[in-house]
Amino acid sequence: DAKTTQPNSMESNEEEPVHLPCNHSTISGTDYIHWYRQLPSQGPEYVIHGLTSNVNNRMASLAIAEDRKSSTLILHRATLRDAAVYYCILRRNTGNQFYFGTGTSLTVIP
Amino acid sequence: NAGVTQTPKFRVLKTGQSMTLLCAQDMNHEYMYWYRQDPGMGLRLIHYSVGEGTTAKGEVPDGYNVSRLKKQNFLLGLESAAPSQTSVYFCASSWDRGPITDTQYFGPGTRLTVL
Repeated sequence: DAKTTQPNSMESNEEEPVHLPCNHSTISGTDYIHWYRQLPSQGPEYVIHGLTSNVNNRMASLAIAEDRKSSTLILHRATLRDAAVYYCILRRNTGNQFYFGTGTSLTVIP
Repeated sequence: NAGVTQTPKFRVLKTGQSMTLLCAQDMNHEYMYWYRQDPGMGLRLIHYSVGEGTTAKGEVPDGYNVSRLKKQNFLLGLESAAPSQTSVYFCASSWDRGPITDTQYFGPGTRLTVL
Protein backbone atom coordinates (compact mmCIF):
# COMPACT_ATOMS: atom_id res chain seq x y z
CA ASP A 1 0.00 0.00 0.00
CA ALA A 2 1.00 3.55 -0.67
CA LYS A 3 2.84 5.21 2.18
CA THR A 4 3.39 8.81 3.21
CA THR A 5 6.43 10.68 4.51
CA GLN A 6 6.14 13.54 6.98
CA PRO A 7 8.64 15.47 9.12
CA ASN A 8 8.75 14.16 12.67
CA SER A 9 8.14 17.54 14.26
CA MET A 10 7.49 21.20 13.50
CA GLU A 11 7.11 24.38 15.50
CA SER A 12 4.95 27.41 14.90
CA ASN A 13 4.29 30.66 16.68
CA GLU A 14 0.78 31.26 17.88
CA GLU A 15 -1.48 33.12 15.46
CA GLU A 16 0.83 32.46 12.52
CA PRO A 17 0.06 30.16 9.58
CA VAL A 18 1.44 26.64 9.60
CA HIS A 19 2.26 24.55 6.55
CA LEU A 20 2.54 20.84 7.25
CA PRO A 21 4.05 18.92 4.31
CA CYS A 22 3.44 15.35 3.21
CA ASN A 23 5.14 13.37 0.47
CA HIS A 24 3.31 10.50 -1.19
CA SER A 25 5.31 9.76 -4.31
CA THR A 26 3.68 6.34 -4.86
CA ILE A 27 0.13 7.68 -4.85
CA SER A 28 -2.17 6.17 -7.43
CA GLY A 29 -4.79 7.98 -9.43
CA THR A 30 -7.72 7.00 -7.22
CA ASP A 31 -6.09 7.49 -3.81
CA TYR A 32 -7.63 10.16 -1.62
CA ILE A 33 -5.42 12.21 0.70
CA HIS A 34 -6.79 12.38 4.24
CA TRP A 35 -5.50 14.34 7.21
CA TYR A 36 -6.28 13.51 10.81
CA ARG A 37 -4.87 14.96 13.99
CA GLN A 38 -4.46 13.55 17.46
CA LEU A 39 -4.53 15.87 20.44
CA PRO A 40 -2.68 14.69 23.55
CA SER A 41 -4.37 11.73 25.26
CA GLN A 42 -7.22 11.66 22.75
CA GLY A 43 -8.24 9.63 19.73
CA PRO A 44 -7.53 11.00 16.25
CA GLU A 45 -10.00 13.40 14.68
CA TYR A 46 -10.71 14.14 11.05
CA VAL A 47 -9.30 17.36 9.63
CA ILE A 48 -9.75 17.39 5.86
CA HIS A 49 -9.42 15.28 2.73
CA GLY A 50 -9.13 15.73 -1.03
CA LEU A 51 -8.38 14.05 -4.35
CA THR A 52 -6.97 16.54 -6.85
CA SER A 53 -8.24 20.02 -6.15
CA ASN A 54 -7.35 22.17 -3.19
CA VAL A 55 -9.88 21.95 -0.39
CA ASN A 56 -10.96 24.30 2.37
CA ASN A 57 -13.04 23.78 5.49
CA ARG A 58 -13.47 25.51 8.81
CA MET A 59 -10.45 23.78 10.29
CA ALA A 60 -7.84 23.97 7.55
CA SER A 61 -6.93 24.04 3.88
CA LEU A 62 -5.40 21.26 1.84
CA ALA A 63 -3.12 22.12 -1.05
CA ILE A 64 -2.41 19.23 -3.42
CA ALA A 65 0.49 19.38 -5.87
CA GLU A 66 -0.37 19.15 -9.54
CA ASP A 67 1.36 15.75 -9.85
CA ARG A 68 -0.27 14.66 -6.55
CA LYS A 69 3.03 13.39 -5.20
CA SER A 70 2.86 15.80 -2.29
CA SER A 71 0.35 17.82 -0.32
CA THR A 72 0.35 20.47 2.37
CA LEU A 73 -2.04 20.97 5.24
CA ILE A 74 -2.41 24.64 6.04
CA LEU A 75 -3.59 25.94 9.38
CA HIS A 76 -4.26 29.59 8.71
CA ARG A 77 -3.77 30.84 12.23
CA ALA A 78 -2.26 28.42 14.71
CA THR A 79 -3.64 28.39 18.23
CA LEU A 80 -2.37 26.55 21.29
CA ARG A 81 -5.23 24.09 20.81
CA ASP A 82 -3.75 23.08 17.46
CA ALA A 83 -0.78 21.43 19.16
CA ALA A 84 -1.16 17.81 18.09
CA VAL A 85 0.24 15.03 15.94
CA TYR A 86 -0.95 15.44 12.35
CA TYR A 87 -1.28 12.36 10.17
CA CYS A 88 -1.32 12.35 6.38
CA ILE A 89 -3.01 9.22 5.08
CA LEU A 90 -3.66 7.81 1.63
CA ARG A 91 -7.05 6.24 1.26
CA ARG A 92 -7.48 3.69 -1.49
CA ASN A 93 -10.70 3.68 -3.44
CA THR A 94 -10.86 -0.04 -2.76
CA GLY A 95 -10.02 -1.71 0.47
CA ASN A 96 -10.88 -0.45 3.86
CA GLN A 97 -7.76 0.40 5.75
CA PHE A 98 -6.03 3.54 6.94
CA TYR A 99 -2.26 3.49 7.38
CA PHE A 100 -1.45 6.25 9.83
CA GLY A 101 2.33 6.38 9.80
CA THR A 102 4.08 8.32 12.57
CA GLY A 103 2.80 11.80 11.68
CA THR A 104 4.17 15.29 12.44
CA SER A 105 4.15 16.54 16.00
CA LEU A 106 3.23 20.25 15.90
CA THR A 107 4.29 22.49 18.75
CA VAL A 108 2.64 25.91 18.98
CA ILE A 109 4.70 28.52 20.80
CA PRO A 110 2.80 31.24 22.67
CA ASN B 1 -25.13 11.97 21.17
CA ALA B 2 -22.13 10.31 22.83
CA GLY B 3 -20.35 9.35 19.59
CA VAL B 4 -17.89 6.51 20.16
CA THR B 5 -17.35 5.30 23.70
CA GLN B 6 -14.90 2.73 25.02
CA THR B 7 -14.93 0.63 28.18
CA PRO B 8 -12.78 0.44 30.26
CA LYS B 9 -10.51 3.49 30.11
CA PHE B 10 -7.62 1.76 31.86
CA ARG B 11 -6.77 -1.83 32.68
CA VAL B 12 -3.82 -3.75 34.05
CA LEU B 13 -3.58 -7.47 33.29
CA LYS B 14 -1.18 -10.20 34.20
CA THR B 15 0.35 -12.32 31.44
CA GLY B 16 -2.06 -15.03 30.42
CA GLN B 17 -5.22 -13.32 31.64
CA SER B 18 -8.08 -12.61 29.29
CA MET B 19 -10.25 -9.56 28.84
CA THR B 20 -12.72 -7.91 26.51
CA LEU B 21 -12.72 -4.29 25.43
CA LEU B 22 -16.08 -2.83 24.52
CA CYS B 23 -16.71 -0.20 21.88
CA ALA B 24 -20.12 1.38 21.40
CA GLN B 25 -21.32 3.96 18.87
CA ASP B 26 -24.66 5.72 18.67
CA MET B 27 -24.32 7.13 15.14
CA ASN B 28 -25.78 4.11 13.34
CA HIS B 29 -22.48 3.58 11.53
CA GLU B 30 -22.00 0.42 9.50
CA TYR B 31 -18.23 0.20 9.82
CA MET B 32 -16.26 -0.23 13.01
CA TYR B 33 -12.52 -0.61 13.63
CA TRP B 34 -10.05 -1.52 16.34
CA TYR B 35 -6.56 0.04 16.32
CA ARG B 36 -3.61 -0.13 18.64
CA GLN B 37 -1.10 2.64 19.22
CA ASP B 38 2.31 1.95 20.68
CA PRO B 39 4.51 4.76 22.10
CA GLY B 40 5.80 7.13 19.44
CA MET B 41 3.99 5.32 16.67
CA GLY B 42 0.92 5.80 14.57
CA LEU B 43 -2.17 3.66 14.80
CA ARG B 44 -2.21 0.15 13.39
CA LEU B 45 -5.42 -1.62 12.42
CA ILE B 46 -6.15 -4.84 14.31
CA HIS B 47 -9.58 -5.91 13.04
CA TYR B 48 -12.55 -4.22 11.46
CA SER B 49 -16.19 -4.89 10.70
CA VAL B 50 -18.24 -3.85 7.70
CA GLY B 51 -21.56 -4.65 9.31
CA GLU B 52 -23.38 -6.59 12.00
CA GLY B 53 -22.18 -10.17 12.14
CA THR B 54 -19.11 -9.61 9.95
CA THR B 55 -15.46 -9.10 10.87
CA ALA B 56 -12.14 -9.03 9.02
CA LYS B 57 -8.45 -8.96 9.84
CA GLY B 58 -6.40 -5.82 9.65
CA GLU B 59 -2.67 -5.23 9.74
CA VAL B 60 -1.88 -6.77 13.17
CA PRO B 61 -4.64 -9.29 14.06
CA ASP B 62 -2.62 -11.99 15.87
CA GLY B 63 -3.54 -12.51 19.51
CA TYR B 64 -6.90 -10.75 19.21
CA ASN B 65 -10.45 -11.78 18.41
CA VAL B 66 -13.48 -9.61 17.69
CA SER B 67 -17.22 -9.88 17.51
CA ARG B 68 -19.98 -7.64 16.16
CA LEU B 69 -23.21 -9.17 17.39
CA LYS B 70 -25.01 -5.83 17.44
CA LYS B 71 -24.55 -2.99 14.99
CA GLN B 72 -23.68 -0.50 17.68
CA ASN B 73 -21.12 -2.64 19.52
CA PHE B 74 -17.71 -3.99 18.55
CA LEU B 75 -15.85 -6.16 21.04
CA LEU B 76 -12.11 -6.80 21.10
CA GLY B 77 -10.93 -9.83 23.02
CA LEU B 78 -7.55 -10.89 24.30
CA GLU B 79 -7.65 -14.59 25.15
CA SER B 80 -4.20 -14.81 26.72
CA ALA B 81 -2.62 -11.42 27.24
CA ALA B 82 1.09 -10.92 26.57
CA PRO B 83 3.35 -7.98 27.51
CA SER B 84 3.66 -7.18 23.78
CA GLN B 85 -0.02 -6.26 23.86
CA THR B 86 0.62 -3.37 26.21
CA SER B 87 -0.70 -0.45 24.20
CA VAL B 88 -3.44 2.12 23.83
CA TYR B 89 -6.43 0.73 21.97
CA PHE B 90 -8.70 2.93 19.90
CA CYS B 91 -12.05 2.09 18.44
CA ALA B 92 -13.48 3.98 15.47
CA SER B 93 -16.60 3.92 13.34
CA SER B 94 -17.65 5.29 9.96
CA TRP B 95 -20.68 5.40 7.67
CA ASP B 96 -19.18 3.33 4.89
CA ARG B 97 -15.98 2.42 3.14
CA GLY B 98 -16.06 4.92 0.32
CA PRO B 99 -13.09 7.30 0.39
CA ILE B 100 -15.30 10.34 0.06
CA THR B 101 -17.61 9.74 2.96
CA ASP B 102 -15.82 7.40 5.31
CA THR B 103 -14.64 9.88 7.91
CA GLN B 104 -13.70 7.80 10.91
CA TYR B 105 -14.84 8.86 14.36
CA PHE B 106 -12.60 7.71 17.18
CA GLY B 107 -13.22 6.86 20.79
CA PRO B 108 -11.08 8.17 23.66
CA GLY B 109 -8.96 5.03 23.91
CA THR B 110 -8.27 2.27 26.43
CA ARG B 111 -4.85 2.14 28.02
CA LEU B 112 -3.90 -1.51 28.62
CA THR B 113 -0.84 -2.68 30.52
CA VAL B 114 0.13 -6.34 30.59
CA LEU B 115 2.61 -7.28 33.30
